[in-house]
Amino acid sequence: DGGITQSPKYLFRKEGQNVTLSCEQNLNHDAMYWYRQDPGQGLRLIYYSQIVNDFQKGDIAEGYSVSREKKESFPLTVTSAQKNPTASYLCASRGRNSNQPQHFGDGTRLSIL
Amino acid sequence: GIQVEQSPPDLILQEGANSTLRCNFSDSVNNLQWFHQNPWGQLINLFYIPSGTKQNGRLSATTVATERYSLLYISSSQTTDSGVYFCAVDESVIQGAQKLVFGQGTRLTINP
Repeated sequence: DGGITQSPKYLFRKEGQNVTLSCEQNLNHDAMYWYRQDPGQGLRLIYYSQIVNDFQKGDIAEGYSVSREKKESFPLTVTSAQKNPTASYLCASRGRNSNQPQHFGDGTRLSIL
Repeated sequence: GIQVEQSPPDLILQEGANSTLRCNFSDSVNNLQWFHQNPWGQLINLFYIPSGTKQNGRLSATTVATERYSLLYISSSQTTDSGVYFCAVDESVIQGAQKLVFGQGTRLTINP
């Protein structure tokens, strides 16, 4: 979807390394989300943030961390504590009004070397 | 939490055929979205449809909220319609926030 930029598109990590995935949106949306997608599966929520400087754990937060210092940005760090990080990671955002759809970025595919 | 089930899991059709994809959900919801994930992994919004019927070209969707299901119709299928179709519904979390709960998807393959 236009307006949400994720980078990089592909990322490789060595065992024991932390990596940070970028997500930037210019839609002026208050809420931002991170989802994980494993091959052949649906998306599962990792973290979400309703406002700047506040975020909440989703269903599978272990081994991940986030920050929300700016409204436009919601980076996700995959830490070495995440034992099975190989997956696609999708960032989404949504406006203040709950009667609005979520919009998604194109995703980052993370692989372990 | 809310459970979302999609059927069929896989669907293979010839170009020009019509198809119906179904999404059942276990509790009342305020919002429902249909997405198409293309072979490059991009997740494209198709419909935002908490109730009623909407149409966009060859695609249409109907949600019957009282019976907890939604249907996505694709008419005159084209090879570019191939991919995975996801249904997702809102679930309330703390502080008035909403999160999307996804089904497992229907993988549609359109053969020329």
